[in-house]
Amino acid sequence: DAMVIQNPRYQVTQFGKPVTLSCSQTLNHNVMYWYQQKSSQAPKLLFHYYDKDFNNEADTPDNFQSRRPNTSFCFLDIRSPGLGDAAMYLCATSQGASTEAFFGQGTRLTVV
Amino acid sequence: RKEVEQDPGPFNVPEGATVAFNCTYSNSASQSFFWYRQDCRKEPKLLMSVYSSGNEDGRFTAQLNRASQYISLLIRDSKLSDSATYLCVVNKGGATNKLIFGTGTLLAVQP
Repeated sequence: DAMVIQNPRYQVTQFGKPVTLSCSQTLNHNVMYWYQQKSSQAPKLLFHYYDKDFNNEADTPDNFQSRRPNTSFCFLDIRSPGLGDAAMYLCATSQGASTEAFFGQGTRLTVV
Repeated sequence: RKEVEQDPGPFNVPEGATVAFNCTYSNSASQSFFWYRQDCRKEPKLLMSVYSSGNEDGRFTAQLNRASQYISLLIRDSKLSDSATYLCVVNKGGATNKLIFGTGTLLAVQP
């Protein structure tokens, strides 16, 4: 049974049109991460939540926002997607930040 | 200097070969270390955690050298199914506790 679920698996959006990606977890983990992964590159951390505390990476563009309304759900909002935002977006959870992370299957975003 | 560095490869090895990957990390406060495997267009999956004493899981052996700040992964008797990207993951530690990925090492096992 999937423990970290991302929806949708594939998302096509228009240039400049806001899009929201979702992630849910059944593990009750307190840390949730959003990573962006482009082709042949490592996953790049955008931000993470430690419980309700939001931690933004210094180089994450303002175009990317996140919400975590409760323990189980976390959303990634891209306010005005550009062509350069096309990537795989990976959600992960962990219990504390010193333990292994469990990943969802990712959402592959295409911007047209 | 990158926080977590790996040789991107590719490592092209024949079936049955032994192959080793190294990874260096910059933050001496890091406490946790992992190797993940990622297949093409799939999500990363935990291969093994890395403990100070070193650990082994079948054909896979992971070791940690805190003094030199590197971790290693050894794969013995390589199988075709081992072909994937191997990602070194380190928790940053300190006040900013998060998981940081290396760039990954691509392994191609050939018949």
